[in-house]
Amino acid sequence: DAGVIQSPRHEVTEMGQEVTLRCKPISGHNSLFWYRQTMMRGLELLIYFNNNVPIDDSGMPEDRFSAKMPNASFSTLKIQPSEPRDSAVYFCASSWTGGDQPQHFGDGTRLSIL
Amino acid sequence: EDKVVQSPLSLVVHEGDTVTLNCSYEVTNFRSLLWYKQEKKAPTFLFMLTSSGIEKKSGRLSSILDKKELFSILNITATQTGDSAVYLCAVIPPAGTASKLTFGTGTRLQVTL
Repeated sequence: DAGVIQSPRHEVTEMGQEVTLRCKPISGHNSLFWYRQTMMRGLELLIYFNNNVPIDDSGMPEDRFSAKMPNASFSTLKIQPSEPRDSAVYFCASSWTGGDQPQHFGDGTRLSIL
Repeated sequence: EDKVVQSPLSLVVHEGDTVTLNCSYEVTNFRSLLWYKQEKKAPTFLFMLTSSGIEKKSGRLSSILDKKELFSILNITATQTGDSAVYLCAVIPPAGTASKLTFGTGTRLQVTL
């Protein structure tokens, strides 16, 4: 079975540019999560969706960050305008919340803002 | 605010040693505790612990949860260089809330020859 698929794998761009990260969750999973990981702060939850609806976006750093989930098989995380402090690895994870099920992570997008 | 603390932060051992990683939490009600292993890429799932006192095992790895004392341990026996990774623990809130995990900062394990 295909796991969580993220794209791109790496992105390097200049500050001020718009960045869009993409995620395809595991088929059948109804919860999707966006995380950011840095050396300083570890793994932080940014936002999560349940049945395509954003449930908690309290982890989103500021208005420059936005996330959408237009359907059960696709989500985007957008940063506009990007800043150097946004440089991190961004993970997408999905799970089935019908019971005690672990989250399965994608391989992440390594983002570098110059 | 829910808090998950892991110790030690970093650990270097020789191949063949046994290690114990600790995870303590200050979480008001939780459903399960998870352990993940993260090498170069994504965290990969190891264990889910829901009941106190019941050990889960997978090969050389084992884990147990103590809900009364609010901690969990992950044991690795006869360590191998392939066990080198960051080990993360995370807590899931009660049923009825969407599964929002709270992660610890991780323990970085390095196994040397």
